Amino acid sequence: KQEVTQIPAALSVPEGENLVLNCSFTDSAIYNLQWFRQDPGKGLTSLLLIQSSQREQTSGRLNASLDKSSGRSTLYIAASQPGDSATYLCAVIPFNDYKLSFGAGTTVTVRA
Amino acid sequence: NAGVMQNPRHLVRRRGQEARLRCSPMKGHSHVYWYRQLPEEGLKFMVYLQKENIIDESGMPKERFSAEFPKEGPSILRIQQVVRGDSAAYFCASSEIQGTRNTEAFFGQGTRLTVV
Repeated sequence: KQEVTQIPAALSVPEGENLVLNCSFTDSAIYNLQWFRQDPGKGLTSLLLIQSSQREQTSGRLNASLDKSSGRSTLYIAASQPGDSATYLCAVIPFNDYKLSFGAGTTVTVRA
Repeated sequence: NAGVMQNPRHLVRRRGQEARLRCSPMKGHSHVYWYRQLPEEGLKFMVYLQKENIIDESGMPKERFSAEFPKEGPSILRIQQVVRGDSAAYFCASSEIQGTRNTEAFFGQGTRLTVV
């Protein structure tokens, strides 16, 4: 059974600092990995999707890397802003499945 | 494209009542997934449906919970005789091809169910 872990559970940084969010998964046989953002009381917004054949994806200040063999993904957010404060969720689709397995998330606070 | 639409956004039910949660997938999407998010926990898969078919309901409690996705209209997640432990956020996602393997999963805003 696929287990997805996100560390740390919470993170607080001053504005302008780079953010590094970690995601690990127990079974490296995955189809893809997706990072989401969730604001309090809101739904999930897809940030980046990395296919299993890819090593990284970039969108603006966001960069996500994937190391399938070690079961790890890292989300980097450059030059953080207060508007980046949210919970960030990592999810994988196992190779023999189609449903997402989620981590519990990392709650980020960017202090102005 | 209006995205995945869920309603109601907030639902309050007394213990023993029924809760009906609705999800309209994105235009052109015929696959719907329901997830539940309990307080302080990650999202857990409940059920995967295509039009008029339940493909996988392995994550759904055996009793009191049911789901459908009729030929016309939204997908419905139904919880009968609700209990306090059913209080959670219920999210719906849709995709245009089988599973969400190679495409992004698009989620709705969720329905927050509170059982009092």
